[in-house]
Amino acid sequence: ILNVEQSPQSLHVQEGDSTNFTCSFPSSNFYALHWYRWETAKSPEALFVMTLNGDEKKKGRISATLNTKEGYSYLYIKGSQPEDSATYLCAFNTGGFKTIFGAGTRLFVKA
Amino acid sequence: GAGVSQTPSNKVTEKGKYVELRCDPISGHTALYWYRQSLGQGPEFLIYFQGTGAADDSGLPNDRFFAVRPEGSVSTLKIQRTERGDSAVYLCASSSTQNSYNEQFFGPGTRLTVL
Repeated sequence: ILNVEQSPQSLHVQEGDSTNFTCSFPSSNFYALHWYRWETAKSPEALFVMTLNGDEKKKGRISATLNTKEGYSYLYIKGSQPEDSATYLCAFNTGGFKTIFGAGTRLFVKA
Repeated sequence: GAGVSQTPSNKVTEKGKYVELRCDPISGHTALYWYRQSLGQGPEFLIYFQGTGAADDSGLPNDRFFAVRPEGSVSTLKIQRTERGDSAVYLCASSSTQNSYNEQFFGPGTRLTVL
């Protein structure tokens, strides 16, 4: 059974803090790792698709790294803002259509 | 263009009733997925359509759940004899076959509450 673990489950930070979360996934049969941001009452929005070991992706204040050999990815947010408050989901794909999601990290940024 | 839409956004029903949840994928996307997200968990795969056919329905929890996509675009997830444990957010996603990494585009979900 493929298992994707995310930690922490939730995180409360102050505006301006930098923060990071972890996604752990099976190191075998890796094909792609997706990060999504899901704000309340909205659609999950794709942040990054990561495919190669050592990949680093960046979008504004958000960046992500990938280690496929040890089976983890980190998502970093620099200078958190209240609008960053959301659930951050990672999802693991082995090359077929099936994508396995983690339970998410719920981020709360207080102004 | 328009994204994935789902209706209704919220559905409250009584135990034992029948419900239908609708998903309108992005135009031209041949792949369509249904997920269920229960409190504290990630989206759980239910069923995958490629065109009109269900390519994999192994995630449907039991025979009370059924989904169709008769014309290869809109899909309906049908739940018979609803139970309180069916309460969850039901997400739909679509993707293009040109998308080699299976990046999926999600709708906002339908929040189903079974009383």
